[in-house]
Amino acid sequence: QVQLVQSGAEVKKPGSSVKVSCKCPGDTFNTYGIIWVRQARGQGLEWMGGIIPLFHSTIYAQVFEGRLTITADASTTTSYMELTNLRSEDTASYYCSRASLRGTSYQAADFWGQGTLITVSP
Amino acid sequence: SFALAQPPSVSVAPGQTAAITCAGDNLEYKTVHWYQQKPGQAPVLVISNDKDRPSGIPERFSGSISGNTATLTISRVEVGDEADYYCQVCQVWDTDSDPVTFGGGTKLTVL
Repeated sequence: QVQLVQSGAEVKKPGSSVKVSCKCPGDTFNTYGIIWVRQARGQGLEWMGGIIPLFHSTIYAQVFEGRLTITADASTTTSYMELTNLRSEDTASYYCSRASLRGTSYQAADFWGQGTLITVSP
Repeated sequence: SFALAQPPSVSVAPGQTAAITCAGDNLEYKTVHWYQQKPGQAPVLVISNDKDRPSGIPERFSGSISGNTATLTISRVEVGDEADYYCQVCQVWDTDSDPVTFGGGTKLTVL
């Protein structure tokens, strides 16, 4: 079973930043992209962005442009999602997932991390 | 910008068939994936590429597309199928739409 393992829950102050890690199986970065999705309590899934480590290419949802940075460390097969200037509306569970690729286009996300709860509170 | 519309809820009795729809412009020309999410758990891929079932997903789950609507069909529904279901479309990025879009989700209730 493919496992993506994320870092633990965090509580952050408004205006601060958070960086969540996602440890992937060893062969992931050669073939797949990594996408990040968040979910506020009781709400739906919201795509944030993704990275194709093989091509060092990233793409972000328009709503997060300027606040979101996704990176991938090939030496540890770990992806990171950093969100800056946090506000209360960013309180949510954040998920990484492995996405198959069609060229440079993301496709289905077949395995997911367990999720990381980020709480933004004064 | 591109958007996907799902009904907020669908109810079905055990043993019956549930159909969950996902509507979007020109959907028949895009690729649709479906996810199941139970409370407190990460999503699970149940249908990829419109109609393919990943390994381990029961044959009771099937997907189809006609025109602007994709449908996830669950036959012989079981109590354990009660969950939220999300459709997802991945498309070539352009300046008007994100490359990945999720529907708002449908809560399947097994009566």
